[in-house]
Amino acid sequence: RKEVEQDPGPFNVPEGATVAFNCTYSNSASQSFFWYRQDCRKEPKLLMSVYSSGNEDGRFTAQLNRASQYISLLIRDSKLSDSATYLCVVTPYNNNDMRFGAGTRLTVKP
Amino acid sequence: EAQVTQNPRYLITVTGKKLTVTCSQNMNHEYMSWYRQDPGLGLRQIYYSMNVEVTDKGDVPEGYKVSRKEKRNFPLILESPSPNQTSLYFCASNRASGANVLTFGAGSRLTVL
Repeated sequence: RKEVEQDPGPFNVPEGATVAFNCTYSNSASQSFFWYRQDCRKEPKLLMSVYSSGNEDGRFTAQLNRASQYISLLIRDSKLSDSATYLCVVTPYNNNDMRFGAGTRLTVKP
Repeated sequence: EAQVTQNPRYLITVTGKKLTVTCSQNMNHEYMSWYRQDPGLGLRQIYYSMNVEVTDKGDVPEGYKVSRKEKRNFPLILESPSPNQTSLYFCASNRASGANVLTFGAGSRLTVL
């Protein structure tokens, strides 16, 4: 079983839609969780950290479910500019050993 | 501007011809790391370094070497490249304390024929 698994998609949604991605992780001792965004042919950039109580940043909401070992990302009111690949990142062993999921590709269409 | 700079951005080479991909950061970060990204596999860590003269293997270190003689530089060396090392490579850095947010370089696309 992979340490971090994501649905690769692609998710094709119309502008204004709400879309959610899940990511599961295998090590229950994982400490830190993040979502990174990667545009085509560019480097990944931090979108948001995921906190135990859940957190929101504008149209983006991240949640952590430790019991079921998954994190989620919800995007409300999708914009064309949200089209990207979203990478789930987990630190299963220590805070500097970051394991990446293969990414979920999102395309927002007019 | 705070950044991680890697070179070359694109390289086509032949099997067995040694090459080095340079990486430099100007943020005084303690930690630096190299990843490769392949379709369907995501980013996999090749090597990382927690400080000068301290390096360790990541998940896929075979065929690669690194060095950390100065805090700002972390070159990736392919002594004898093979076609299975054709990939997109990213260098990243982060602070030792606080939020461990990775700052990535723009990537180096390497093709080994």
